[in-house]
Amino acid sequence: GQNIDQPTEMTATEGAIVQINCTYQTSGFNGLFWYQQHAGEAPTFLSYNVLDGLEEKGRFSSFLSRSKGYSYLLLKELQMKDSASYLCAAGNFSGGYNKLIFGAGTRLAVHP
Amino acid sequence: EPEVTQTPSHQVTQMGQEVILRCVPISNHLYFYWYRQILGQKVEFLVSFYNNEISEKSEIFDDQFSVERPDGSNFTLKIRSTKLEDSAMYFCASSDRVTSNGYTFGSGTRLTVV
Repeated sequence: GQNIDQPTEMTATEGAIVQINCTYQTSGFNGLFWYQQHAGEAPTFLSYNVLDGLEEKGRFSSFLSRSKGYSYLLLKELQMKDSASYLCAAGNFSGGYNKLIFGAGTRLAVHP
Repeated sequence: EPEVTQTPSHQVTQMGQEVILRCVPISNHLYFYWYRQILGQKVEFLVSFYNNEISEKSEIFDDQFSVERPDGSNFTLKIRSTKLEDSAMYFCASSDRVTSNGYTFGSGTRLTVV
């Protein structure tokens, strides 16, 4: 089956660093995506990892270990506007086509 | 920056009625998708579409659902006879290649079935 686990909720302080973990067990794995979603809005693409290692993009970094089925999203210098849900999604390649399988999301609350 | 456009943003319909949700994908994208998100739950894959036909569909996408690309720009999701449990946000997404490193999602249609 397809299974993606991430914490339900996290809280952090403005200016701090937070790490959101994600573990996955999926078939046809084709990369790990992180999306940000504010309430009532569409998911917004943050990062994509297909090879092991760390990808850095400004305040956000994402890490992947394929052998461990593990990824994390690291957010630095947290701002109030970073309060949102963060969705871990595995790319699933089957039958010649790709789709995303999402985790339930981690709701991050940033407080002053 | 190119956008995926969805209309309407909100739709309220009576149970048993047909609804059509509309999407305009990014113009040079070839792969189109519908996802849904029931309130408080995770985003779920419904269907993918390429070259004017369905490439993959989930168990959710039963005979009540259909998709169409009626012209060169629109991509629609039809629900033939809506049920209360169809109430959700429906997101359209598009990508430019089969193993994209970033799907672009539309802003969604909130469907409420009463």
